[in-house]
Order: sequence, then C-alpha cells, then structure tokens
Amino acid sequence: AQKITQTQPGMFVQEKEAVTLDCTYDTSDQSYGLFWYKQPSSGEMIFLIYQGSYDEQNATEGRYSLNFQKARKSANLVISASQLGDSAMYFCAMREPSARQLTFGSGTQLTVLP
Amino acid sequence: GEEVAQTPKHLVRGEGQKAKLYCAPIKGHSYVFWYQQVLKNEFKFLISFQNENVFDETGMPKERFSAKCLPNSPCSLEIQATKLEDSAVYFCASSQPGAGGLYEQYFGPGTRLTVT
Repeated sequence: AQKITQTQPGMFVQEKEAVTLDCTYDTSDQSYGLFWYKQPSSGEMIFLIYQGSYDEQNATEGRYSLNFQKARKSANLVISASQLGDSAMYFCAMREPSARQLTFGSGTQLTVLP
Repeated sequence: GEEVAQTPKHLVRGEGQKAKLYCAPIKGHSYVFWYQQVLKNEFKFLISFQNENVFDETGMPKERFSAKCLPNSPCSLEIQATKLEDSAVYFCASSQPGAGGLYEQYFGPGTRLTVT
C-alpha cells in the first residue's frame, strides 16, 4: 500500500490566488512527521514546512500552511497568494519513528499562470 | 559547511562501468541519507548513516551498490557495473535531531547519473 498519496499529478492556479495540494498518508504509528518539499525545474529540493503528529496547531511558514486532518490522515499544503516563482514540483513526505528516512509521494506539478 | 555538497554534478558512464558519487553533509549533522530520483518524481530511499555507521540499508540493491561514511571524508555511494536503469538523480541529505522530533533533512543539489 502507498504510504504517501498525492492524487494530483498537475495543478494550475492563477497568480495571486490560493491553491491546495493534496496529500494523504498511511501509517499505524501514533508519532510521525509530515513534510513538504518544493523542487523547481533546476532540481534542488527545498524544505517548506513540517507538521508533527502531536502538534495541535496547523503549521504555517509565510505563505505556506499545512491543513492537517489527523483523523482523515491528510496533510494538504495551502499556498496563499501564488507567485510565478511557485511553479515547481511539490512533494509530500512522511517520517515514521522507526526510520529516519523520508517516504515521498509521487509529487504534484504546480503551474502558476500570469 | 552550511550546505550539503555533492560531486560531481553530472556523471556519464557506459553500461558496466563503475560510478562513484560523493556527499559532504552539513558540518555537525550526524545523519546522512541517499535517495534515488527517477524520472523527476519517484524518490527511492537507498541507505542512511548515523555518523559512520549504517543506520538503515533496506533500500540498497546490495549486489551492485555500496556506500560509506568515513570520519573526516565525504560520504560516498558507489555503483559497480552500472545498468541503464541506474540512470537517475542521486540526492544526499543530512539532518540533526531538532525540537519536537523534527528531523528536517537538508538536501544537496544532486548528482545526475546517465548510463549509456
């Protein structure tokens, strides 16, 4: 079974609009961490935001926020006021307590339209 | 340093040749990870180290892949007898335990391996 599922291979958003990128996960652990990374066309991996499973508040970092719904096992990334530079591949990832490595979803290619 | 460094940036090998990739983690980080990214979306975990010790190698195709992290040297990932399917970008990442169990991983720029 897929541990991290990103069901949107591609998304389009108009500049200055908000966009939500979906991510669902599967784990039987109570303690885990959820991450979002951005990968522009240049290829580097940029850490965006983190949510711990015990964090009561949704994580926010500038224009990024994580809509964490634990019962639904979803950790959607919300980007507010999209900019052209937000066009990139976005990966959701999970770290379980038994491992240090990240398990990644298949990514969502976001294109911001002028 | 403050960034994960990977060399070389690009590597081209004929099928059957050896390939060796290097990674210098951020100074002070005790965990190092290697990931393989094929076709711009699928990330596969290969191996992780805690200092110079292998922490988890469940993702390594052991018959041809090997990796080391020796003290005072860059970490390395070596592929003996490369195959066409080894063509990918290989990312190294390092991390250090943070507050609340956050193990944010800092990624290097990657090494693009092309096997012809």
